[in-house]
Amino acid sequence: DQQVKQNSPSLSVQEGRISILNCDYTNSMFDYFLWYKKYPAEGPTFLISISSIKDKNEDGRFTVFLNKSAKHLSLHIVPSQPGDSAVYFCAAAMGGGGADGLTFGKGTHLIIQP
Amino acid sequence: ETGVTQTPRHLVMGMTNKKSLKCEQHLGHNAMYWYKQSAKKPLELMFVYSLEERVENNSVPSRFSPECPNSSHLFLHLHTLQPEDSALYLCASSPDQRGNIQYFGAGTRLSVL
Repeated sequence: DQQVKQNSPSLSVQEGRISILNCDYTNSMFDYFLWYKKYPAEGPTFLISISSIKDKNEDGRFTVFLNKSAKHLSLHIVPSQPGDSAVYFCAAAMGGGGADGLTFGKGTHLIIQP
Repeated sequence: ETGVTQTPRHLVMGMTNKKSLKCEQHLGHNAMYWYKQSAKKPLELMFVYSLEERVENNSVPSRFSPECPNSSHLFLHLHTLQPEDSALYLCASSPDQRGNIQYFGAGTRLSVL
C-alpha cells in the first residue's frame, strides 16, 4: 500500500506559466517532506523540503505548500522554464528520517513546452 | 555532480553470476543507503548503514548482500539473482542517520538474464 502518492504520471505546461505538482500521503507520522528532481541517466537531486511545523517554504522559483489536515503537499514552479522538464519525486520522512529512509511517490514527469 | 559515485553504471548478468555494485561518497557523510527502483514503481529502501553499521534491512532477499567497509564506501553484492531483480539501484548518503536530505548517485542499471 503506497504511503506517498503522486496521482499524475505526467504534466505538460507552457514555458513561462506556473507548474503545480501534487502529492498526497497517508501516514500521519510523516513530519518532513522533500521534492527531488530527476533527469534521465542521473540520480535524483534534492530540490526543496518542508517541515510539518510549516505550511510553506520558498526557494527562488520553487515553493512547496503543505496542508497537514488534508495530508497533501504541492510544488509550485513559476515561471516554468525548459530546463525544468524532468521527473519530480515527492518523498516523506518520519522522526528524522534515517533508519526508515525516505518513502517516495512514483514521480510526475513534467514537460515544459516552448 | 552530487558527490556520490556509483559504478558500474550498467550491468548485465546471468542468474548464476556473482557481481558487486559499488558506491563511494565524497561528502564526509556518516549514513549510506541502497534503494531499488523497478519500472513503474517508487524507489524502495533496501538497506541503511550508519557509521558502517547496518541499521535497517527492509526485508530484502539474501541474494542481496550489502557491505560497508568504511563511511565512504558501500557495496551491494549480488548472487543468484532473478530476472525480476532487474532494476535501477541507487545509492544515497546523508550527514547522519537522522539526515532527511539524502544525496543520490546516478545509479546502476541492472539487467538479469
